[in-house]
Amino acid sequence: GAVVSQHPSWVICKSGTSVKIECRSLDFQATTMFWYRQFPKQSLMLMATSNEGSKATYEQGVEKDKFLINHASLTLSTLTVTSAHPEDSSFYICSAMAGIAYEQYFGPGTRLTVT
Amino acid sequence: GENVEQHPSTLSVQEGDSAVIKCTYSDSASNYFPWYKQELGKRPQLIIDIRSNVGEKKDQRIAVTLNKTAKHFSLHITETQPEDSAVYFCAASTAQEGNMLTFGGGTRLMVKP
Repeated sequence: GAVVSQHPSWVICKSGTSVKIECRSLDFQATTMFWYRQFPKQSLMLMATSNEGSKATYEQGVEKDKFLINHASLTLSTLTVTSAHPEDSSFYICSAMAGIAYEQYFGPGTRLTVT
Repeated sequence: GENVEQHPSTLSVQEGDSAVIKCTYSDSASNYFPWYKQELGKRPQLIIDIRSNVGEKKDQRIAVTLNKTAKHFSLHITETQPEDSAVYFCAASTAQEGNMLTFGGGTRLMVKP
């Protein structure tokens, strides 16, 4: 149980275009989903926290107009990178949490390369 | 906000030896401390976690200790094997912050056969 999927697993896009990444909890309802970014050989940095039906809470330094997060249902959250630039190239990982439980279940990640 | 420091950044041990990774945290309200193993290009995998009402937890070759007074916790891996080679991350969270995880910088563990 507690499986989280992400789609796509990797994507290459041109500078200036937008990319949407989906995060799904497959066998549980995720009241909260988190989006992380991980640059090579670095730690996971939280970008934003999203709760179903409400606006996402962004961490300091993360542009909410550039990284659009939608948590429309208890099983799906999406991250859209708008007007992507090469410096947005990174590994994006989502995680999902059920209820008030502490444990977060991580998706497999999406490798974004902006050319 | 919470700040988590992790040491060492790299650790090389001989197969069969023990490995210890240490983390310190700043927010005394933090009450959940998970450890993750991440292989290259893959998702972090939870290997063990501890809550603040417990001082030690063990699962086969892996153990975690927590010192709330000193605000530090450690991961202990005994009888290391080459397949233990990976990057390990500690993290801390508190319900007061919506259970968001703050990660340490990571430790690259290399187990030499």
